[in-house]
Amino acid sequence: GDSVTQTEGQVALSEEDFLTIHCNYSASGYPALFWYVQYPGEGPQFLFRASRDKEKGSSRGFEATYDKGTTSFHLRKASVQESDSAVYYCALGYGSSGNKLIFGIGTLLSVKP
Amino acid sequence: GPKVLQIPSHQIIDMGQMVTLNCDPVSNHLYFYWYKQILGQQMEFLVNFYNGKVMEKSKLFKDQFSVERPDGSYFTLKIQPTALEDSAVYFCASSRLGARSSAETLYFGSGTRLTVL
Repeated sequence: GDSVTQTEGQVALSEEDFLTIHCNYSASGYPALFWYVQYPGEGPQFLFRASRDKEKGSSRGFEATYDKGTTSFHLRKASVQESDSAVYYCALGYGSSGNKLIFGIGTLLSVKP
Repeated sequence: GPKVLQIPSHQIIDMGQMVTLNCDPVSNHLYFYWYKQILGQQMEFLVNFYNGKVMEKSKLFKDQFSVERPDGSYFTLKIQPTALEDSAVYFCASSRLGARSSAETLYFGSGTRLTVL
């Protein structure tokens, strides 16, 4: 079945460090890819999405590029802030099945001031 | 952004009792969802719902689970009877009617933490 793999369970950085969180997917069709962010005590919040090969999604300084060749959608940010500390989820979805999203396990980002 | 409200935020019940989790989705959204997240594990899809019907459900959506949205009121998840393994955070989400070619964005509530004793 379709799945999303996030290789980093936890990432610890200092402010102004560069962030990369790896996301790879396995899908039988052509899904849309998403990044969601979850702060403590809240539900996941939509960060951005990309729907086709080579499309770049971005928001709040975060970005990721849909790469069908390597089946990846890695999240990057040039300079993280303490306020970016949260859990980040990569997800894939299909419109034809009622927009069900399949989530990765999540990556806990901790940023020290 | 669009807000999904979930009531209550916490619920503690005894095993075997019935529980109803309530969700007030975004007002112009037509698709509704429930996800389950056990502490420290990934979010898992339970069910989605459109036009009064379950469209798709996962293996986690046991026979003891049911969903409904009577007359445009709350979208509810009912568990009857509850079991210990139902303890988790349940997230409701909603989206507009999706296009065929791409998935719509889901908007999530803050979750209901269910503890079954």
